[in-house]
Amino acid sequence: DGGITQSPKYLFRKEGQNVTLSCEQNLNHDAMYWYRQDPGQGLRLIYYSQIVNDFQKGDIAEGYSVSREKKESFPLTVTSAQKNPTAFYLCASSIDQITGVSPDTQYFGPGTRLTVL
Amino acid sequence: AQSVTQLDSQVPVFEEAPVELRCNYSSSVSVYLFWYVQYPNQGLQLLLKYLSGSTLVKGINGFEAEFNKSQTSFHLRKPSVHISDTAEYFCAVSVGSSNNNDMRFGAGTRLTVKP
Repeated sequence: DGGITQSPKYLFRKEGQNVTLSCEQNLNHDAMYWYRQDPGQGLRLIYYSQIVNDFQKGDIAEGYSVSREKKESFPLTVTSAQKNPTAFYLCASSIDQITGVSPDTQYFGPGTRLTVL
Repeated sequence: AQSVTQLDSQVPVFEEAPVELRCNYSSSVSVYLFWYVQYPNQGLQLLLKYLSGSTLVKGINGFEAEFNKSQTSFHLRKPSVHISDTAEYFCAVSVGSSNNNDMRFGAGTRLTVKP
């Protein structure tokens, strides 16, 4: 079945550690996104990528890094510079928007819950 | 920049009763509007979207929403809810461009359906 997978479902990090969250899609979508979800705050965009080997910062990129070496994969690294990383992280993808005339649906993965110990 | 306000953080309702989840947006340009649903510990699933055309939009699971430009609203409605509709609902807005990177989400409304 086509879709987006995220792993792991739950992740625990000690202070000072970097951790990497996986996001894979087999929808043949060009655009991929990372959001952070905190209670009562909705979703906030961390990074997005519209094409392989290119990505842009979102609203809250500080303390995070990404790579986009393959169309299917968009891993997110939470670095030790992120002071409050405990949150629910959601990955999404959508059809190429570079030549589109209106925004298309974003399809979301099941999320990764990160907890700092 | 555009923004979204969901006026109710929690909405409790009895099974088979009607429900309305309110969403207002602010933008100086034309917008595209979305409603997503999130079940516990899961990702978001699209319920419906307004891009253009008819202002009354029908979505999955019996939900519908009406785009009201003069009131800058996009309220979500269902005439009769089920226990299985218990979830968090997010309204989102994207301005008149082809990019999804400018999508803004509301803080969410938690709908609880009681028997």
